[in-house]
Amino acid sequence: EPEVTQTPSHQVTQMGQEVILRCVPISNHLYFYWYRQILGQKVEFLVSFYNNEISEKSEIFDDQFSVERPDGSNFTLKIRSTKLEDSAMYFCASRIQGLRGEVFGPGTRLTVL
Amino acid sequence: SQQGEEDPQALSIQEGENATMNCSYKTSINNLQWYRQNSGRGLVHLILIRSNEREKHSGRLRVTLDTSKKSSSLLITASRAADTASYFCATDAGTGGFKTIFGAGTRLFVKA
Repeated sequence: EPEVTQTPSHQVTQMGQEVILRCVPISNHLYFYWYRQILGQKVEFLVSFYNNEISEKSEIFDDQFSVERPDGSNFTLKIRSTKLEDSAMYFCASRIQGLRGEVFGPGTRLTVL
Repeated sequence: SQQGEEDPQALSIQEGENATMNCSYKTSINNLQWYRQNSGRGLVHLILIRSNEREKHSGRLRVTLDTSKKSSSLLITASRAADTASYFCATDAGTGGFKTIFGAGTRLFVKA
């Protein structure tokens, strides 16, 4: 069964550093998402991406964040200057056309020291 | 505003019993979904119900939706220890799938 994959599984970085989280969505999916989940809390929507542009973004997704789909298979989330409060699990998800549920990747645990 | 608030926050039952989880939301929706998450891992999509549907079944899962009350319920029948997980409802907040808002979740523990 097709899967969404994410790398790395765990990223440790120093405050102020840039990080890039990578995702490979399912190949025939058209909608792409990033979410984050701070330990013990709810899953929070960050951004959705469709037709090579951002469709929706939350108030969390400020100028420190950006997304790219550089080559038709990868979907990346960049955090320009990480803060301690960016420590969380980051989940990528993708969805096929139509009313279907999203398929989530296993997540990247980001730890900012 | 909070969208997709589940209750109870935690539920502990014996294997074989039924588990019912409820979700309330505030804005209009096009659809509502339920997801399962095992111990901080990725979420698994369980079922999607459209705003014009009232009930949907999938195996041991039954979901109801009452748009007049802005609420939904997830029933897991004949629960198993493997059903132990957190269950989240999620709505599209009327965006047609471009923004999925998750509730805080119900932690279900099924005792063998």
